[in-house]
Amino acid sequence: QKEVEQDPGPLSVPEGAIVSLNCTYSNSAFQYFMWYRQYSRKGPELLMYTYSSGNKEDGRFTAQVDKSSKYISLFIRDSQPSDSATYLCAMRERTNAGKSTFGDGTTLTVKP
Amino acid sequence: DAGVTQSPTHLIKTRGQQVTLRCSPKSGHDTVSWYQQALGQGPQFIFQYYEEEERQRGNFPDRFSGHQFPNYSSELNVNALLLGDSALYLCASNQYDQPQHFGDGTRLSIL
Repeated sequence: QKEVEQDPGPLSVPEGAIVSLNCTYSNSAFQYFMWYRQYSRKGPELLMYTYSSGNKEDGRFTAQVDKSSKYISLFIRDSQPSDSATYLCAMRERTNAGKSTFGDGTTLTVKP
Repeated sequence: DAGVTQSPTHLIKTRGQQVTLRCSPKSGHDTVSWYQQALGQGPQFIFQYYEEEERQRGNFPDRFSGHQFPNYSSELNVNALLLGDSALYLCASNQYDQPQHFGDGTRLSIL
């Protein structure tokens, strides 16, 4: 079983919808949690970076971490066609910033 | 401020050959990590370089090796290429406890 499991999708939503992307993990040593966005033929782009349980908001994006349940989410409000991409959750242990463990990604399509 | 840059963008090789991929980290970053991303999957950690030494390694065979130079740039070498080595190879860099930033990768195709 993988250390990080991500809802596989794909997801297709109308423009303006609220999107929820989710990951679960099994390694309780994971302390830092990231969300990356990856467009086709591009590298992952860092969207959100969180440490503690709770919510972190940045514009239309909200990252939520529940360490007790080993569950993280990314919410996208007022989704736009430009949000169409693959979203990757990633996480790492406290002492090693150079090694992240990724989910397999969820592909999102936002239709105009 | 240049981000992480990788070269070449795309490579085509045949089985048994050897390949070298290159990476320049984001300005101010001293740690470089390499990942392999197969189609439809998330990036898998290959290894990490800091102070010109391999610090940690993922579950990859010795055919995968690397190097970090004094200017923090890095190379990934893969020997005896297999069909299964076809993937997007990503370089990531970071500083201290900060999150990694990724380049756009090198797409390696093995025929």
